[in-house]
Amino acid sequence: AQRVTQPEKLLSVFKGAPVELKCNYSYSGSPELFWYVQYSRQRLQLLLRHISRESIKGFTADLNKGETSFHLKKPFAQEEDSAMYYCAIAGGTSYGKLTFGQGTILTVHP
Amino acid sequence: DVKVTQSSRYLVKRTGEKVFLECVQDMDHENMFWYRQDPGLGLRLIYFSYDVKMKEKGDIPEGYSVSREKKERFSLILESASTNQTSMYLCASSFGVGRNTGELFFGEGSRLTVL
Repeated sequence: AQRVTQPEKLLSVFKGAPVELKCNYSYSGSPELFWYVQYSRQRLQLLLRHISRESIKGFTADLNKGETSFHLKKPFAQEEDSAMYYCAIAGGTSYGKLTFGQGTILTVHP
Repeated sequence: DVKVTQSSRYLVKRTGEKVFLECVQDMDHENMFWYRQDPGLGLRLIYFSYDVKMKEKGDIPEGYSVSREKKERFSLILESASTNQTSMYLCASSFGVGRNTGELFFGEGSRLTVL
């Protein structure tokens, strides 16, 4: 079975500081990994997916198969980055079903 | 623009009542999902459907059932609501096999309180 662990429930940083949200997964095959974000009073939405190797809103995430991790990073946090972040995994032919982690609330202080 | 609409934003029900949560999507997506969102537990999949009249159990199906009579509509049913079903319920949809990118499109959520 696939599993995602986000060890930090809460993460606080100051504006301009680097931020890293941790995500570890367990899956025996080749996983597809995603980060979703939910801003205050908004819907949960896709932030980025590992297969695209893209930077969205300054965030990047690298899949490390050796450490089974997919940490989300941003070199200089902004106040508007404050949100709930979920790491998610899709494995196998599961009709696009995603398994989500527990979520991390990021607060960026001015 | 993809739109997933959940019929009720807030509901308050009593223990033992039957509860219907409705979800409609307008993007002709094959897949539809019901998750519940709880602090510290994240999102947990209740049921999903990959086609009309098809349904599959997720990770926590106990106490729930679903109905998908039309492609655009996916209903979650609590046959006899209990207090431990107090939660935020999120509906989502996505393209099916062959067009799926892994992106789920979520509704705004339905916050259910069971007294």
